[in-house]
Amino acid sequence: GAVVSQHPSWVICKSGTSVKIECRSLDFQATTMFWYRQFPKQSLMLMATSNEGSKATYEQGVEKDKFLINHASLTLSTLTVTSAHPEDSSFYICSARDSGNTEAFFGQGTRLTVV
Amino acid sequence: AQSVTQLGSHVSVSEGALVLLRCNYSSSVPPYLFWYVQYPNQGLQLLLKYTTGATLVKGINGFEAEFKKSETSFHLTKPSAHMSDAAEYFCAVSDRRGYGQNFVFGPGTRLSVLP
Repeated sequence: GAVVSQHPSWVICKSGTSVKIECRSLDFQATTMFWYRQFPKQSLMLMATSNEGSKATYEQGVEKDKFLINHASLTLSTLTVTSAHPEDSSFYICSARDSGNTEAFFGQGTRLTVV
Repeated sequence: AQSVTQLGSHVSVSEGALVLLRCNYSSSVPPYLFWYVQYPNQGLQLLLKYTTGATLVKGINGFEAEFKKSETSFHLTKPSAHMSDAAEYFCAVSDRRGYGQNFVFGPGTRLSVLP
């Protein structure tokens, strides 16, 4: 199957700083990418959907100015957590699909810890 | 709106025993259905999916699931559990009208396999 690479796999940052997470589709062009957040022992919650070259669509309750999403190319989407706070600590997962597939491929996730 | 329920947040089975993880969905139209597995601190791996055709779907690692429209169910089974099957399992649905949109996950079921 197709491969989605997410980087970094884990990151620790100080409160008030910003952190960027990358999601790359390695062997296909991802017209759409999705960003999820997962709290411990809970399911995935969709944060936003991004289509290449256009603004991301955020789910209700997700602050678009805090979670900046850029999908500038067909193989790369980034999530930037701005002015991070401890409550932003979580596991963030991206997924990607191409226009002709019925399957979404997931990255390995990024564990963010804000101290 | 679509929703997914998974009966049992935690299921324990003995090694070699039958695995049955339950999934029921609510959707106004027949959706695409998926089962994913997640190991600790990792992303999601697709076990199997139902889109069209045969309602009994076979996946990786000996898992299979049957789509029952009348019961709005998509239960996951494996005849004989292995220690390596211990993980978190998520059932998910996706709107047929635009794959990836309205991609909803269930709350997850943690499978423990006892020696």
